Amino acid sequence: GAVVSQHPSRVICKSGTSVKIECRSLDFQATTMFWYRQFPKQSLMLMATSNEGSKATYEQGVEKDKFLINHASLTLSTLTVTSAHPEDSSFYICSASGQFFGPGTRLTVL
Amino acid sequence: GENVEQHPSTLSVQEGDSAVIKCTYSDSASNYFPWYKQELGKRPQLIIDIRSNVGEKKDQRIAVTLNKTAKHFSLHITETQPEDSAVYFCAASRGTGTASKLTFGTGTRLQVTL
Repeated sequence: GAVVSQHPSRVICKSGTSVKIECRSLDFQATTMFWYRQFPKQSLMLMATSNEGSKATYEQGVEKDKFLINHASLTLSTLTVTSAHPEDSSFYICSASGQFFGPGTRLTVL
Repeated sequence: GENVEQHPSTLSVQEGDSAVIKCTYSDSASNYFPWYKQELGKRPQLIIDIRSNVGEKKDQRIAVTLNKTAKHFSLHITETQPEDSAVYFCAASRGTGTASKLTFGTGTRLQVTL
């Protein structure tokens, strides 16, 4: 299957700061990447669809100004959580092929 | 949009027994149904998938069935082993998977006891 990496794997930050998460497809070019969020003991919920060279498409209820997505190349998409708050603490997972997922980033906001 | 329901939420079986997890979906246009296994703190791992032109698919101890008319699909694990213990998610999408978003079920926590 496709190889997808994410960085960082874990991040702890103070409330009010911004955090950037990178998602890379290592063995193929991805025009579309997906960002999911998973709260403890819950399912994966799609946040947004990242499109290379164009604006991301956000799911209902996801604030585009809070969760900034940049997909500048066919192998890299970034998700920036701006002005993070404790309720943003979650497991963020990207998918670069629709089927296979990155290892995830655990964000803890203090 | 698509809505996927999954049952049961927890399932405990003895080693060697079979486990069945069921999902229903609402969007009749959905045509791709993957199943994922997720261990604590790890990424979901694709274990098997089925497309709408197939009714059943098997891979060693794992099988998936699809009933398009009833809009439900099931995961069957035979001869369960302790390492099968994990959370399992079903999902549905309209595309073939390469550029299609997935809608996930709520998950089933499978516990295989000795």
